[in-house]
Amino acid sequence: SQQGEEDPQALSIQEGENATMNCSYKTSINNLQWYRQNSGRGLVHLILIRSNEREKHSGRLRVTLDTSKKSSSLLITASRAADTASYFCATQGAQKLVFGQGTRLTINP
Amino acid sequence: KAGVTQTPRYLIKTRGQQVTLSCSPISGHRSVSWYQQTPGQGLQFLFEYFSETQRNKGNFPGRFSGRQFSNSRSEMNVSTLELGDSALYLCASTRTGGLDTQYFGPGTRLTVL
Repeated sequence: SQQGEEDPQALSIQEGENATMNCSYKTSINNLQWYRQNSGRGLVHLILIRSNEREKHSGRLRVTLDTSKKSSSLLITASRAADTASYFCATQGAQKLVFGQGTRLTINP
Repeated sequence: KAGVTQTPRYLIKTRGQQVTLSCSPISGHRSVSWYQQTPGQGLQFLFEYFSETQRNKGNFPGRFSGRQFSNSRSEMNVSTLELGDSALYLCASTRTGGLDTQYFGPGTRLTVL
């Protein structure tokens, strides 16, 4: 069963715009991670945010975590065509990662 | 440093056959996890191996098994293949498992006919 629920399931924006994806989960976690997957290939780790952190940045990525609401968001600023991919949140409790169903992001030129 | 490698990248089998997939972790990483990805069920955890011992297991039938060798390379085996086993199988490695970042390989695309 999936713990993370992502919203929206699909997102289409113009190049240069910002993209925001949301993730909600149900149980307590140690950390939450975001991954990118290009067209059925392997997953690329983007960012990890621990349960005692509220916000983290990495380049054009900004992740927030609200443990009281059991939710996280991923913001990609100044989007590029190369950002077109599926984005997954994954929660980690004791050890294993539990993935959401993902958001399919399309950047239109 | 080389990334996680998986072989083969693509595989076609028929129902009832068995298959073995291989994963070589990043050098120095001792934990290997396996995931199945399908359009319907998404990414689901299969199992994790650390120092040749299965440390964690997902909710999959006993037809799915794995092992890890002393050099940390891992294999997973699926016996008596079913059509529903068609999926992308991903492995990921971490230095010690636990709460480390997982680094994924490119996956093996298995098609069962």
